[in-house]
Amino acid sequence: ILNVEQSPQSLHVQEGDSTNFTCSFPSSNFYALHWYRWETAKSPEALFVMTLNGDEKKKGRISATLNTKEGYSYLYIKGSQPEDSATYLCALQGGKLIFGQGTELSVKP
Amino acid sequence: DGGITQSPKYLFRKEGQNVTLSCEQNLNHDAMYWYRQDPGQGLRLIYYSQIVNDFQKGDIAEGYSVSREKKESFPLTVTSAQKNPTAFYLCASSPLGVTEAFFGQGTRLTVV
Repeated sequence: ILNVEQSPQSLHVQEGDSTNFTCSFPSSNFYALHWYRWETAKSPEALFVMTLNGDEKKKGRISATLNTKEGYSYLYIKGSQPEDSATYLCALQGGKLIFGQGTELSVKP
Repeated sequence: DGGITQSPKYLFRKEGQNVTLSCEQNLNHDAMYWYRQDPGQGLRLIYYSQIVNDFQKGDIAEGYSVSREKKESFPLTVTSAQKNPTAFYLCASSPLGVTEAFFGQGTRLTVV
């Protein structure tokens, strides 16, 4: 079983704080790393799909980096807003798509 | 509208009964996946399929079965052999290759 670890498990921040989460994985035997946002009562939606070591993606206030050699990816949120409250999932794609347990973010106004 | 449809949203069954969860997509995606979520845990892969009439076990396939007779459909049967079937089940699909997956709304199964 490919073990994808996410930390922290949960995070509580104030509006305006910047924050980051970690996704770590032991293997380089995959060809893409995904980040998804899962809001309550909705379906998970993709944020980024990254393929290369050193790949960096950005969408508005959210960005992600990937270091396949060291086995981790970071997701950054700059200036958190209450609407950013959600569970953030990372997943490794290598034929099948394996998810970590997620980081639950709560942003207080 | 294009998308993935899971039905029903809520499902109740008596212990010992088999139950089938529906997943249909009209996105013309080749790959389809079934995941299970339990409280405090992430998404765990049950089965996946990349082509019609072929599927592979995920990490927790015991007690489940699937079929992929049509590209659009990937039903999941929760059998009586599944020890703890009560959970939230999510279906997803994607094109082949490096691309995002799209998810259904999920089915919450309660076995009493």
